[in-house]
Amino acid sequence: GAVVSQHPSWVICKSGTSVKIECRSLDFQATTMFWYRQFPKQSLMLMATSNEGSKATYEQGVEKDKFLINHASLTLSTLTVTSAHPEDSSFYICSAPGRDFLNNEQFFGPGTRLTVL
Amino acid sequence: GENVEQHPSTLSVQEGDSAVIKCTYSDSASNYFPWYKQELGKRPQLIIDIRSNVGEKKDQRIAVTLNKTAKHFSLHITETQPEDSAVYFCAARTDSWGKFQFGAGTQVVVTP
Repeated sequence: GAVVSQHPSWVICKSGTSVKIECRSLDFQATTMFWYRQFPKQSLMLMATSNEGSKATYEQGVEKDKFLINHASLTLSTLTVTSAHPEDSSFYICSAPGRDFLNNEQFFGPGTRLTVL
Repeated sequence: GENVEQHPSTLSVQEGDSAVIKCTYSDSASNYFPWYKQELGKRPQLIIDIRSNVGEKKDQRIAVTLNKTAKHFSLHITETQPEDSAVYFCAARTDSWGKFQFGAGTQVVVTP
């Protein structure tokens, strides 16, 4: 099946710094990727849809200037948390639709645990 | 937009018993309904899915049923085992490349 990777798997940073998270489709091309945030004991909340070659689409309530998304190639999307604060500490997960247009499955990355001190 | 509700939030079952988790959705255009299992700190893993043109699907101990008229779908796990303990999420999607709306999740605990 399709494989999605994320880097780093975990990161600890100081308040006010920026953190970049990478999401890669390893064996298929993904023109669309999705970024989710998951707080402890909560569900996955969609933050934005990343589109290769165009601007990302953000969900209501998500600050586009704080969560910068760049989908520079067909296999890479990056999420940059700018000026991170402790309330941004969360589990960030990306996903991508599979290579088969008729197959509805989405493939999730392993997630990135962000801790902001 | 789509809204998915999931019940119960927690479910304790004795090993060997069955577990049932129910979800309802609001958008009648939704056509794909996956179920994910997530262990602590790990990615969601697809365990079974169903498309809107099917009423039931089974894979060994796991089955999913879909009632389009009532807009609800359910996950059934039979002969539960301790390794079935995890958080289970249902989801609904409206179009082929579209985003998923997830339910709130169900913490399943299987006690020996």
